[in-house]
Amino acid sequence: DVKVTQSSRYLVKRTGEKVFLECVQDMDHENMFWYRQDPGLGLRLIYFSYDVKMKEKGDIPEGYSVSREKKERFSLILESASTNQTSMYLCASSSGGVNQPQHFGDGTRLSIL
Amino acid sequence: GDSVTQMEGPVTLSEEAFLTINCTYTATGYPSLFWYVQYPGEGLQLLLKATKADDKGSNKGFEATYRKETTSFHLEKGSVQVSDSAVYFCALSPLYSSASKIIFGSGTRLSIRP
Repeated sequence: DVKVTQSSRYLVKRTGEKVFLECVQDMDHENMFWYRQDPGLGLRLIYFSYDVKMKEKGDIPEGYSVSREKKERFSLILESASTNQTSMYLCASSSGGVNQPQHFGDGTRLSIL
Repeated sequence: GDSVTQMEGPVTLSEEAFLTINCTYTATGYPSLFWYVQYPGEGLQLLLKATKADDKGSNKGFEATYRKETTSFHLEKGSVQVSDSAVYFCALSPLYSSASKIIFGSGTRLSIRP
């Protein structure tokens, strides 16, 4: 089975801090994704990556950046955390090719105080 | 652009009831269609998928049929259990999607009473 591991289940940070969320997958997948999930808004794509060092903006990239230095690891960075970034963050991965399903981690619930 | 519309919840049923969660989509060509399930405190899990018209995906007693003529992919289960309580997401992967991007519906929360 595909395993997508997010480094923290719960995280509390302060406004203005630089926050790192880490995600690792063990299936040699080409594609990796970061979403945030908020009540009433569903899943919204922040950034995705289709190869090492490659990244593309999703629907809501403002206030975020990403890093993919190794194939198995995809990091989401909040440059200067704000309270409106309090949310559930979900990482996913998928193999290359057309119409492949995404496999998700268990999520990180991030609170910005 | 491509989109997914699913019935709003919450949906509350008694155990052993029949379940239908409606999902319709708008897309160019023949996208792949998915149902994902999210149990409390967890990430999303792939429940089933269908990749072409008239395909039926099935898993854990759930079924959904890819209907091109009605652009629908409704989720059904004949007899639900308390353990089926979760949020269900309908999703599609556009035909020419870069990096297998997926478009998700807004989710339907299902609660099953014992």
